[in-house]
Order: sequence, then structure tokens, then C-alpha cells
Amino acid sequence: EAGVAQSPRYKIIEKRQSVAFWCNPISGHATLYWYQQILGQGPKLLIQFQNNGVVDDSQLPKDRFSAERLKGVDSTLKIQPAKLEDSAVYLCASSPQGYEQYFGPGTRLTVT
Amino acid sequence: QQPVQSPQAVILREGEDAVINCSSSKALYSVHWYRQKHGEAPVFLMILLKGGEQKGHEKISASFNEKKQQSSLYLTASQLSYSGTYFCGTEIPRGTSYGKLTFGQGTILTVHP
Repeated sequence: EAGVAQSPRYKIIEKRQSVAFWCNPISGHATLYWYQQILGQGPKLLIQFQNNGVVDDSQLPKDRFSAERLKGVDSTLKIQPAKLEDSAVYLCASSPQGYEQYFGPGTRLTVT
Repeated sequence: QQPVQSPQAVILREGEDAVINCSSSKALYSVHWYRQKHGEAPVFLMILLKGGEQKGHEKISASFNEKKQQSSLYLTASQLSYSGTYFCGTEIPRGTSYGKLTFGQGTILTVHP
């Protein structure tokens, strides 16, 4: 069974630029999560999808972050414009029934 | 509110045991445990549900005290492969956003030969 795929794996941008991350969850997993993990901290949930609908985005900085999940499968997370404090690893996870979560390898973002 | 993990770091020799604790100030529906190795994604270890149900690896054991909103992860006869950062993730009673986890700050476990 293929795992959660994410791309790119690394990204370096300057502040005020925009960036997008892509996630392909495990086939058949209805629930998809985007997390932000700052170095030395636990993952912080940004947004949660159930199929193609948003069920929780209470911690998503909506003035600069946006996310969508087309057709209930792939998802993209966008930051525009980026700030220095957005430097982190962005993790995508999927879950078949909202219990155990399977994480992708993450995208390491550096904002200079 | 973020759950609190203790200790922050543990150093063991192979074969020794360790206990990692996770405490929440909120009533919980479930507690999840994940292990993350340096530069890698978190890997699911175990979930403990309110009511006593558990799902996870056979070689990992954990407990969930529903009254105290505390969970403990027990690592026995540690191996070098156990090294990593352990995170607990807590879930409050389910509404529409089931599976929403709040992670603790992590416990760094280092196992030496």
C-alpha cells in the first residue's frame, strides 16, 4: 500500500513570496489533515478535511493560508504572502476513519 | 490547550524500561501516541479510547486514566530502534471534527548500546 505523498520535499523562498504544497493521501482515506511543525515542537493542526469538505480550520491563519481538497483526494496548501515565522515542516496526514493517522514525509519550508 | 508531556527527555541503555506521561486539562475522548525519528514523519504507535478500547502495536503498551485525563506509554526492554521523539495527541469528545488532535511538546528518548 502506497503511503502519503507530498511535494516538494524542500522549499526556500523569500518573505512576501507565495508557495504551494501538494499532498496525495492513501487511497480510500476520507480524512485529510495539514499540520505545521516548528522545530522542537509537536505538530499543530492547520486544517482538516472530510472528503472534500472542511470540518475544522480554526487554527489556519486565513489571511495568508488557504487549502483545498479537490474531488476528495489530492490537497494543496498555499501561503501567500509568506512570513519568516512560517518556516517549518508542513505535514500532511490521512486517516481512514478518523483514528490512526498516517503522515507523509513533509515539506520543509525556509523563509528568508 | 496543549497536553503536557513528561519527562522532556530520557536517556536509556538497551534493555532498560521507560515511562512517558501525557496529561490534559480537558476531558478526553482518546489519546494517540506517535514516534518521530529525526528528519522523518511521525509514525502511529497506539490509540487509547475512552471506555478502554486500544488499538496499536503489540509490543507497545499504554494506559489511559479517564478520570485524571492522563495517559502513560510504557517502553520495556528498550532497543536502539526506540530512539526518537514521542508525541501524545489528545482528542476531546467528538463532534463534527472527529480525529482532531492536539499534540504535546514531545519527549526525546535516546537509547544507547
